[in-house]
Amino acid sequence: DAGVIQSPRHEVTEMGQEVTLRCKPISGHDYLFWYRQTMMRGLELLIYFNNNVPIDDSGMPEDRFSAKMPNASFSTLKIQPSEPRDSAVYFCASSSTGPNTGELFFGEGSRLTVL
Amino acid sequence: GQQLNQSPQSMFIQEGEDVSMNCTSSSIFNTWLWYKQDPGEGPVLLIALYKAGELTSNGRLTAQFGITRKDSFLNISASIPSDVGIYFCAGQRFMTTDSWGKFQFGAGTQVVVTP
Repeated sequence: DAGVIQSPRHEVTEMGQEVTLRCKPISGHDYLFWYRQTMMRGLELLIYFNNNVPIDDSGMPEDRFSAKMPNASFSTLKIQPSEPRDSAVYFCASSSTGPNTGELFFGEGSRLTVL
Repeated sequence: GQQLNQSPQSMFIQEGEDVSMNCTSSSIFNTWLWYKQDPGEGPVLLIALYKAGELTSNGRLTAQFGITRKDSFLNISASIPSDVGIYFCAGQRFMTTDSWGKFQFGAGTQVVVTP
């Protein structure tokens, strides 16, 4: 079975450039999450969606960050303009309501380096 | 960011030894998850716990949902070199529909296994 698929796996860009990270959740999952992982702060929830609707974006650092989920199988996280402090690994995760409520499955992550 | 206290921060053990780690919180949780993360990869779900007192095993791994619902424990028996990695706990409080799915993560336990 295909897991959560993220792209790109690695992105190196210069400060000020726009960055778009992509995620395909597990088919049938109705929750999608974007996390950021750094050594200093660990795993931080940025935003999550339920049935394609953003539920909580209180973790989004600032207006430079935006996320969309146009359909059940695709989401994007955009940073514009990017800054060096945005360098981190960004994870997408998905889960579903049901008998095993609460099992969160992660993608392999997108490692972002902003120079 | 993390609101769970996970300990120890790191462990250096010899192959064959048992490993124990735990997470505690001031809040009551309805779900505990344990993950392992290898370098350059996303966290992989190991065990999910849904009931206070629940004890669940997955091969050499055993996790328990604390009776107080404020803690959880993970044990690895007879460690092998491939157990090396970072282990994370995650707790979830279900309060309302808007709160479902918001997991809090521990800072991780780095496990190093020497032959």
